[in-house]
Amino acid sequence: EDQVTQSPEALRLQEGESSSLNCSYTVSGLRGLFWYRQDPGKGPEFLFTLYSAGEEKEKERLKATLTKKESFLHITAPKPEDSATYLCAVRAEPLTGGFKTIFGAGTRLFVKA
Amino acid sequence: ETGVTQTPRHLVMGMTNKKSLKCEQHLGHNAMYWYKQSAKKPLELMFVYSLEERVENNSVPSRFSPECPNSSHLFLHLHTLQPEDSALYLCASSQGGLAGADTQYFGPGTRLTVL
Repeated sequence: EDQVTQSPEALRLQEGESSSLNCSYTVSGLRGLFWYRQDPGKGPEFLFTLYSAGEEKEKERLKATLTKKESFLHITAPKPEDSATYLCAVRAEPLTGGFKTIFGAGTRLFVKA
Repeated sequence: ETGVTQTPRHLVMGMTNKKSLKCEQHLGHNAMYWYKQSAKKPLELMFVYSLEERVENNSVPSRFSPECPNSSHLFLHLHTLQPEDSALYLCASSQGGLAGADTQYFGPGTRLTVL
């Protein structure tokens, strides 16, 4: 069964304390892995798309990496404004045909000043 | 306006009411989506439209009825809902290619409360 699992469920950091969020996946026919940021009461905001193992992308304090089994979202020297829920999603092409997008449950990040 | 907009932002309705949620995208995309987001659960895909045709329906109760009159507008018609249907309803759009990663862009959502 296709699955996307994010860990930890919640993460509390001090300002400046770097860390990583994990997204592990089990899907057939990966066509892309997405990271989103979601603030309370708002829709998810697109951050990155990764297509193949070994790929990396950066944006400000965030860096996303991808292997054949998981993706990491590294946060370097976080600030309180980085507090949000980070969602991972995978687009897959099942052997039965068609495409589907599967979201993880998210990691809630709290950064304290 | 730019991006994906949704109206209303908040909606409170009784179980016997009929209401509709509206989504509009200004990105020139060909695919639109409805998601349900409940507390501490992953986003649940409800409906997918590509070029105004429904291409996916993930076993959603018939009390939810989608409508896509053109590639820029998407509606979700609601009737005789249950309290467990209370959630954040998100609309998204994407370029809609059959191949490739097809990044989705989300609207701000409609917070629905069913009394």
